[in-house]
Amino acid sequence: ILNVEQSPQSLHVQEGDSTNFTCSFPSSNFYALHWYRWETAKSPEALFVMTLNGDEKKKGRISATLNTKEGYSYLYIKGSQPEDSATYLCAFGGYQKVTFGTGTKLQVIP
Amino acid sequence: GAVVSQHPSRVICKSGTSVKIECRSLDFQATTMFWYRQFPKQSLMLMATSNEGSKATYEQGVEKDKFLINHASLTLSTLTVTSAHPEDSSFYICSARERGLPYNEQFFGPGTRLTVL
Repeated sequence: ILNVEQSPQSLHVQEGDSTNFTCSFPSSNFYALHWYRWETAKSPEALFVMTLNGDEKKKGRISATLNTKEGYSYLYIKGSQPEDSATYLCAFGGYQKVTFGTGTKLQVIP
Repeated sequence: GAVVSQHPSRVICKSGTSVKIECRSLDFQATTMFWYRQFPKQSLMLMATSNEGSKATYEQGVEKDKFLINHASLTLSTLTVTSAHPEDSSFYICSARERGLPYNEQFFGPGTRLTVL
């Protein structure tokens, strides 16, 4: 059973603050690492697919980095807005299937 | 693009009845669909993988006779929970993989909350 861990489980930040959270995954047999944003009552939305050690990806105020050798990825949100409130999931991907972490629930307080 | 719908969004049923959940890819062909289950405060757990036109592959510990999966077309997969019991109450969510996309990128439906009384 693959162990994919996310921390923290939840956090509250003030609007305008920047924040980051972590996804840890096995450092062997790496294929891909996915980040999703999941708002309540909606479908999880793909943010990034990261495949190479040292990858950095950016989408607006959200960015992510990847370290496959040590088995972690960081997701950063700059200048958090209330609409960023969601659960952020990472998933360690194999060719056929992925293993999800439990997510980080972010609440941005106006 | 890449929209996946899932119906119903919420269902309440009596113990012993069967419930069917539909997962549709609306604007692409889904060669592979995945069914996940999520218990409170836990991660999405893969139940089964279904490829269009072939039998689903179930994960260890998932009863194939209890959770019937059909993937009869490139846009539709169904999950039927047979003879549902209260312990089957959970959140079920499907995802679809588009032909040709690398790295197992998946597009998710919004999920179905099943409550068995």
